Amino acid sequence: EVQLLESGGGLVQPGGSLRLSCAVSGITFSSYAMSWVRQAPGKGLEWVSAISGSGGGRYYADSVKGRFTISRDIAKNTLYLQMSSLRVEDTAVYYCASSLGSYNKKFDYWGQGALVTVSS
Amino acid sequence: QSALTQPASVSGSPGQSITISCTGTSSDIGDYNYVSWYQQHPGKAPKLMIFGVSNRPSGVSNRFSGSKSGNTASLTISGLQAEDEADYHCCSYTSISGLVVFGGGTKLTVL
Repeated sequence: EVQLLESGGGLVQPGGSLRLSCAVSGITFSSYAMSWVRQAPGKGLEWVSAISGSGGGRYYADSVKGRFTISRDIAKNTLYLQMSSLRVEDTAVYYCASSLGSYNKKFDYWGQGALVTVSS
Repeated sequence: QSALTQPASVSGSPGQSITISCTGTSSDIGDYNYVSWYQQHPGKAPKLMIFGVSNRPSGVSNRFSGSKSGNTASLTISGLQAEDEADYHCCSYTSISGLVVFGGGTKLTVL
């Protein structure tokens, strides 16, 4: 059974930092590109960032470029999202999602999400 | 504002068919077959329902089908059932940024 389990969400003040983790099991982690997709309260989905299976390719939405960093630890089967200079508009549920092959064709599996609230 | 345009809501009665549209441009839906659709029940994670415009993953009911015409992709659900009531999101590769864009989501109500 494929499982993606996010952790690390919480309440943070504007300008603060937070690191999300996504533990993956049930798939060959290195064969999958991984992404973070977020959903603000009552809104649609927004793709945030992706990393290739090898970790050599990293991609970011303009809204987070320069503030967020995606990484993966293949030995630990874990995906990360380091978020800094957080803004109120970054408040959302953050989902990790896996894609066999390239990240930009489909998202095969999704985690249950981690809530990040940016507020003073 | 989302890059892809979906209707905010659609509705249908059990047994009927409905279609949800997703309109983009020649930089995304029009020129590429990387359109996918996701079903999301309240408080739950999205689930892949259609990829590559019209392909269904293993385990997804054949009541769900996808198509594309010009810059608009469509998701059709036939034989509506109560459990189909959910939000549906379209997604596409875009050559403008080389990245991925989603639609704003459509709430399906089964009357």
